[in-house]
Amino acid sequence: DTAVSQTPKYLVTQMGNDKSIKCEQNLGHDTMYWYKQDSKKFLKIMFSYNNKELIINETVPNRFSPKSPDKAHLNLHINSLELGDSAVYFCASSQGAGGYTFGSGTRLTVV
Amino acid sequence: SQQGEEDPQALSIQEGENATMNCSYKTSINNLQWYRQNSGRGLVHLILIRSNEREKHSGRLRVTLDTSKKSSSLLITASRAADTASYFCATVMGPTGTASKLTFGTGTRLQVTL
Repeated sequence: DTAVSQTPKYLVTQMGNDKSIKCEQNLGHDTMYWYKQDSKKFLKIMFSYNNKELIINETVPNRFSPKSPDKAHLNLHINSLELGDSAVYFCASSQGAGGYTFGSGTRLTVV
Repeated sequence: SQQGEEDPQALSIQEGENATMNCSYKTSINNLQWYRQNSGRGLVHLILIRSNEREKHSGRLRVTLDTSKKSSSLLITASRAADTASYFCATVMGPTGTASKLTFGTGTRLQVTL
């Protein structure tokens, strides 16, 4: 199936831990994103990569580090997790002026 | 700051009725997109309307855009229980390209009952 897939779907971890979320798209899109959806369902962009190059870096703590080994993959590594990092993280991709394709999300719970 | 505000925040209708959701935004846009999010799922792209377009249709969906009022509306006709979801508008402000990003509204929660 052509899609944006991200793993894991659920992630429960303790404060202070380091964790990674992986994302892959097989749509051939050039641009990939990470979005964060908070408990009030508000969605905000975190990062955007185009052909492995960082294009958008919103005001995100530097504990969050994206990595794009190739244009089909965009991973998100989070260091020293805090309670406030609990949210749903969505990976997405797009090509040109078209709509975005979103992954199904990773629900991160920090305890 | 947040780009879009959606109205209403929640809407409950019966199957077969039409549902209208409105979105307002603050700055000039290149295009505006509508997405649906079912509970616990990712977002699904519904329709994109460019700043030089005023109306667009896709199946039971009709989107309008009024750039002078910086507003858009999404109409779902003959609603079905399966339309129950949250609906988000999202804007792209600059020229599309590598630096474009979606800025989302607050969302409207639609409940369609039998």
